Parts: sequence; structure tokens; C-alpha cells
Amino acid sequence: DAKTTQPPSMDCAEGRAANLPCNHSTISGNEYVYWYRQIHSQGPQYIIHGLKNNETNEMASLIITEDRKSSTLILPHATLRDTAVYYCIAGADMRFGAGTRLTVKP
Amino acid sequence: NAGVMQNPRHLVRRRGQEARLRCSPMKGHSHVYWYRQLPEEGLKFMVYLQKENIIDESGMPKERFSAEFPKEGPSILRIQQVVRGDSAAYFCASSQFQREGRFRTDTQYFGPGTRLTVL
Repeated sequence: DAKTTQPPSMDCAEGRAANLPCNHSTISGNEYVYWYRQIHSQGPQYIIHGLKNNETNEMASLIITEDRKSSTLILPHATLRDTAVYYCIAGADMRFGAGTRLTVKP
Repeated sequence: NAGVMQNPRHLVRRRGQEARLRCSPMKGHSHVYWYRQLPEEGLKFMVYLQKENIIDESGMPKERFSAEFPKEGPSILRIQQVVRGDSAAYFCASSQFQREGRFRTDTQYFGPGTRLTVL
């Protein structure tokens, strides 16, 4: 499974877009990129996944670079309730790293 | 469609007792994963099971911990002779492999967790 690298923390103003980067330079051709988040101490919540095309759902958009070595999760209009730890995972066996702690500020 | 269910949500045990944590996967899911999260730390993979089979237990401590996913009923994570260091949140996730074109995906859906406190 590919390892991922994420910044440990980020801040975002309420109502603005939050762009969370993830590097997965060792990803192989058949490995998906998954994003989850964990709000406080709740169970992790699935957000979105993709292979090589950009993806969008009701929660977020996922932009994957053409070489697939990195991706960006975009929350288009961040709210205070989006404050959480965001995890990027490459591959199916779900090894979670430290993630990015996103703080949305009023 | 009910999500992943875990019970109990909170469990208190004294040192040396046994802890049994249960996980009922989402309907139609035949894969179960267990994770442990120590206070102020990230999620650590423990074990991956399919019905009646342990697929990957590389994250399980060698002693005192066991897991099963029987043909009928929930998955069970069992911790024998608990110690204070076992105090943590234990999360279960379930999935069902799906095909998207030529590839297989395995989106996991998590339960609310069981908070184990060892006195």
C-alpha cells in the first residue's frame, strides 16, 4: 500500500474553501485514494474516493493529479462543523496516518 | 439502512478481566475491520476478517487479543486479562468489495466505537 503524507494542521475561515493536500507518490496503478474524517472522538466518516478522475459528491470534491502522486480534498464552503481530522489513504487496506487537523474559524 | 453497530458503547473493566466488543456490519457487508485509537493518537489497524476467516491480523497484539467473525452473528473482538494500557476507543468498520470498471474498491464504513476503560 502507498504511504501518504499530509500536513499536520490547517486553518480555514468559515464560508471559504478548504483545500487539503495529500502526497501519495508511491501509489500503484490500481490503488484508489480514499478520504475520511473524524470529528472529535466519533467514528471516522467516509467522504469520497477516486482513482484518476476528479470526483465530486455532496460533501466534497477530490482532485487527483495526472501522475496520481498527489491529491487535494476540497470542501467548497467550510463550516464550523467541518472541524475534524482528515485522513487520506491510498490503497484498500486502510492504514491511517496522522491526518490533517482542520480547524474552521468564524 | 442501518449503519455499522457496535456495542457496548462504553465498557469498564478491572485489570485482569475480559472485554468483549461486538460489531454488526452494515447489511450486505461481509468484511469487517477492527481499529484501536489510544487517547490523542491516530487510528491503528488491528485485524481484517471475512466471514469465518481472518484475512490479516498483522496489527493484533500477539497475546490476549483475538477476533472472530462467525457465519452468523456479529464480529467479536476479545481482550483477555485486560491491562490499563488497553484503555482506548475500538472502532469497527465494514465493507463490501465493489467493481468500478476494471477495478475493485473497498470503501469502509465505521461504527461509533466502543470506549474501553480499564481501572
